[in-house]
Amino acid sequence: EPEVTQTPSHQVTQMGQEVILRCVPISNHLYFYWYRQILGQKVEFLVSFYNNEISEKSEIFDDQFSVERPDGSNFTLKIRSTKLEDSAMYFCASHQETQYFGPGTRLLVL
Amino acid sequence: AQSVTQLGSHVSVSEGALVLLRCNYSSSVPPYLFWYVQYPNQGLQLLLKYTSAATLVKGINGFEAEFKKSETSFHLTKPSAHMSDAAEYFCAANAGGTSYGKLTFGQGTILTVHP
Repeated sequence: EPEVTQTPSHQVTQMGQEVILRCVPISNHLYFYWYRQILGQKVEFLVSFYNNEISEKSEIFDDQFSVERPDGSNFTLKIRSTKLEDSAMYFCASHQETQYFGPGTRLLVL
Repeated sequence: AQSVTQLGSHVSVSEGALVLLRCNYSSSVPPYLFWYVQYPNQGLQLLLKYTSAATLVKGINGFEAEFKKSETSFHLTKPSAHMSDAAEYFCAANAGGTSYGKLTFGQGTILTVHP
């Protein structure tokens, strides 16, 4: 069964560093999403992406965040200058009738 | 704004007992509703979804949920809990009138199953 994959599974970084979280959506899906879950809190929507552009973003998704589909298969989330409060589990999802989620990347900012 | 509330952050049941996980939504238009399950160190797996067809929705692993517009609820049930049901369960809603667009999640309910 096709699945969404994410790499890395865990990442530890220093505050102020750039991180890139990678996702490989299911191949025939057209809509892509990033969500995050801070420990002990709800899963929160960050951004949706369709037809090579952002279709919707939340207030969390500020100028420090960007998304890209560089090669038609990968879907990346970049955080330019990480803050302590960016520590969270980040989930990628792709959509065809239903959103299918990846296993997540646990990001720890020190 | 759309919101989803799950009553009870932790639910504990005995093996073989009824599982009831509560979810209420607030929306001026009945949304599409979903239940996802998350096992340790895994992603969110879809259990079932409501898309304005039948109000009683059956999902995987013996779970079902009933959409009640009058109560703005979409509670998840399973007649007989199994040890393998222990996980965190998330209710989510999409207010877009389609299945596309962002999901708004509840805070999650951790289900513990005792032998």
